Amino acid sequence: GIQVEQSPPDLILQEGANSTLRCNFSDSVNNLQWFHQNPWGQLINLFYIPSGTKQNGRLSATTVATERYSLLYISSSQTTDSGVYFCAVERSSFQKLVFGTGTRLLVSP
Amino acid sequence: DAGITQSPRHKVTETGTPVTLRCHQTENHRYMYWYRQDPGHGLRLIHYSYGVKDTDKGEVSDGYSVSRSKTEDFLLTLESATSSQTSVYFCAISEPGAGTEAFFGQGTRLTVV
Repeated sequence: GIQVEQSPPDLILQEGANSTLRCNFSDSVNNLQWFHQNPWGQLINLFYIPSGTKQNGRLSATTVATERYSLLYISSSQTTDSGVYFCAVERSSFQKLVFGTGTRLLVSP
Repeated sequence: DAGITQSPRHKVTETGTPVTLRCHQTENHRYMYWYRQDPGHGLRLIHYSYGVKDTDKGEVSDGYSVSRSKTEDFLLTLESATSSQTSVYFCAISEPGAGTEAFFGQGTRLTVV
């Protein structure tokens, strides 16, 4: 099956810093989503981005489908950005997502 | 927030007992899913449903069964719980077709002692 690798596994930032999270996948995909899991465990949808670039406030994402990777950019990080960021892809029918193991982000004040 | 409710939110049960987790949606989405989340593995698909009474296995289906008798409800049953099934369980919903994204419930933390 498709493999999803996220890097770095852990990231510590000072408040106000910028960061880039990466997601590599091993095959072509129909769907790619980025999620933020907050410290309470809730999974929050950030982007649906099988290709192209999107922006939402301080967050933006780019997927280069032909090269099988996606990047999540966080600018001017805040303590509320802390948590785990997951990339998930879908290749088969029925939109079954395959998740990476996540990037754990800690933003300190 | 997508209208997805999981119940119970927390449960402690003994090895060998049956356990049923419920996922209820108010979005009328056709597809529903059960995932489990364990340290070092991200989320993994247990079972999914593509319509009422239509279900299939995911990556880690051993020891689990599901049922979907109504569009809005998707039940996950552990017939005889084992300690390896201690995990956080997430329900998700989506619609078929391109351009649609999956939304997740708040999770159920299950501990098997």
